[in-house]
Amino acid sequence: QSVLTQPPSVSGAPGQRVTISCSGSSSNIGAGYEVHWYKHLPGTPPKLLIYGNDNRPSGVPVRFSGSKSGTSASLAITGVQVEDEADYYCQSYDTGLSGSWVFGGGTKLTVL
Amino acid sequence: QVQLQESGPGLVRPSETLSLTCTVSGGAVNSGPYYWSWVRQPPGKGLEWIGYRYSSGNTNYYPSLRSRVAIFLDPSKDQFSLKLTSVTAADTAVYYCARGVLDCSGASCYEYFQYWGRGTQVTVSS
Repeated sequence: QSVLTQPPSVSGAPGQRVTISCSGSSSNIGAGYEVHWYKHLPGTPPKLLIYGNDNRPSGVPVRFSGSKSGTSASLAITGVQVEDEADYYCQSYDTGLSGSWVFGGGTKLTVL
Repeated sequence: QVQLQESGPGLVRPSETLSLTCTVSGGAVNSGPYYWSWVRQPPGKGLEWIGYRYSSGNTNYYPSLRSRVAIFLDPSKDQFSLKLTSVTAADTAVYYCARGVLDCSGASCYEYFQYWGRGTQVTVSS
C-alpha cells in the first residue's frame, strides 16, 4: 500500500488531454512538500518530467504540466501522443517514521 | 553528462547479503548537493525508495528497511554501493541507482531524482 495513491491506469486517444492524480495526506503533500513526476518504460531508467510541483526540466515537451492543491497533485498531458504510453510515478517526502521519500503506486497510461 | 551503471550478482540466496555497486561517470560522489540513492521495483509493483547517502556523508533509509540496509560512498572509484542483509524472496526486484539533487537554483529548493541507472535484476532464491 503506497503512501501516495495513484489510479492504476488511465487511457486516452491521441490528441486528448489526460490527467493522472496523486493523492496524499497531511504528512506529505498536505504538509507542503513538493511533488515530482517521472515517466518509466520497463527496461529503461525513469525520466524526470516535472519537479517542484509544476516545473518542467529542459527538454521535456510543453504538453506535460503539473499542479498541486491541498493534499493532492496532478500531472496533465495536453495532446497525448503514442510515445507517451508508459508508467508514471509521483514522488514526494513523508514525515512519518522519521521521514522518507515516497513514491506513488504508479499509473499505466494507454494511448488508444 | 552524468551516467550511472549498476553492477552485482543477479542471484542471491535467502538470508544472505545483497551487494550492488553503482559506478558514476561525469561527476564525483563526494562533491555537490547530491543524494546517492537506491530505488527498487519488485515484479508487478511500483517504485520503492530504499535510501541515500548524501555527498557529505549523511544517510536516510526507508523505515521498513532501516535495520537491514546500508549505503556507502567510494570517492576513489566514484562509486557508491548498497548492502541489504538477511534477504528474502520479497527483496527480489529490479534495483536502480540514482542521483538525487538538492536544487536551489530557483526561488525555492527542491529535492528530486535527476539521473538514473538502467537497473539490474536481483532474484532471491535458493
